[in-house]
Amino acid sequence: NAGVTQTPKFQVLKTGQSMTLQCAQDMNHEYMSWYRQDPGMGLRLIHYSVGAGITDQGEVPNGYNVSRSTTEDFPLRLLSAAPSQTSVYFCASSYNGQGKAGGSPTGELFFGEGSRLTVL
Amino acid sequence: GNSVTQMEGPVTLSEEAFLTINCTYTATGYPSLFWYVQYPGEGLQLLLKATKADDKGSNKGFEATYRKETTSFHLEKGSVQVSDSAVYFCALRLPRGFQKLVFGTGTRLLVSP
Repeated sequence: NAGVTQTPKFQVLKTGQSMTLQCAQDMNHEYMSWYRQDPGMGLRLIHYSVGAGITDQGEVPNGYNVSRSTTEDFPLRLLSAAPSQTSVYFCASSYNGQGKAGGSPTGELFFGEGSRLTVL
Repeated sequence: GNSVTQMEGPVTLSEEAFLTINCTYTATGYPSLFWYVQYPGEGLQLLLKATKADDKGSNKGFEATYRKETTSFHLEKGSVQVSDSAVYFCALRLPRGFQKLVFGTGTRLLVSP
């Protein structure tokens, strides 16, 4: 029962470096998303995708890039890391609820264990 | 805009005490409401939810009632255990908002034996 798998779990970068946080899910979920978690601010949505080939911006997209070439994978790219991007990142997935099974979205997101990123 | 406000933590209780964590929301339309829980070192997981006014969500002894008149969704448990120590997040989802959730800042609960 893998669920949502994030790698790496920990990463330290220098300002200006680039990296990719990987996210994979094996539940055939249409919807995938990235959140960042910061003290006193809860979780904020960075980017999301409602299916392969479709992505859109969330609340705090600047400095991040995403793509969705397969249903299973949704990588998050930092093109030029900044100290303000020091955070814990969570990937989450769910059914859209609008596909073959019909119905409406349930709101239940399945989260990975998180990736802690420090930018020096 | 759409937002969720939770009480500041940490909330510190002794085992078997009664728990209330307050949550109020601001939203256009009629959102669905959720409580998620994050145990140490783990991702968030759904605890309970309510999709319309006066609905009561419940799970693992926790309850919350969707109060439209006070725009609230307070989390309660009659007798907490040490294993309930975690961070609790209140969240909302707008109608036709796909699975985009708006989260509160989280409330840490510490339960001592």
